[in-house]
Amino acid sequence: EAAVTQSPRNKVTVTGGNVTLSCRQTNSHNYMYWYRQDTGHGLRLIHYSYGAGNLQIGDVPDGYKATRTTQEDFFLLLELASPSQTSLYFCASSAGLGLSQNTLYFGAGTRLSVL
Amino acid sequence: GDSVIQMQGQVTLSENDFLFINCTYSTTGYPTLFWYVQYSGEGPQLLLQVTTANNKGSSRGFEATYDKGTTSFHLQKTSVQEIDSAVYYCAMRDYNQGKLIFGQGTKLSIKP
Repeated sequence: EAAVTQSPRNKVTVTGGNVTLSCRQTNSHNYMYWYRQDTGHGLRLIHYSYGAGNLQIGDVPDGYKATRTTQEDFFLLLELASPSQTSLYFCASSAGLGLSQNTLYFGAGTRLSVL
Repeated sequence: GDSVIQMQGQVTLSENDFLFINCTYSTTGYPTLFWYVQYSGEGPQLLLQVTTANNKGSSRGFEATYDKGTTSFHLQKTSVQEIDSAVYYCAMRDYNQGKLIFGQGTKLSIKP
């Protein structure tokens, strides 16, 4: 079973604060994703990457930056946090796009509150 | 652009009832469709996927098929149990694209 580890599990910050959410996967997967989960909206894709140094824009990227520093590590950065970014954030990874590779494995989530 | 819609936000059933959750999708490409399940306090996990229209996917007693004509994708189970209580997400990936789009989710509650 693929392992995806997110940290921290919970984070509280103030409006205008600087937050970094971390994600590490140890299965040599090529693809990594950041989603936010909100009631009534489901899971919405923020950014994703298909390898170290690569970044693709998702569907709700405004206010977020991301960086894939290595094959294993994918970071989500909120440089000026706003209350609208209060949410549950999930990181996920997948091996590739083929039939046997495209399963997404999710971490346990990071709950972020912006006061 | 591509989209996935789940209209049923919440479904409440009794044990041994029949489950049917519908999802509609929109894309100009050739989609692979998925159902993910999320249990309380956990991240979502894959339940099943279907790559070809009119083919059936199945897992853990759940079945799903997608209809290209009506662009709908449904999940069903003949007899639900309390352990099936969870949020179910429909998702779509266009052929050879890295992006996976999720619907809004359907929360299934089973009364014992």
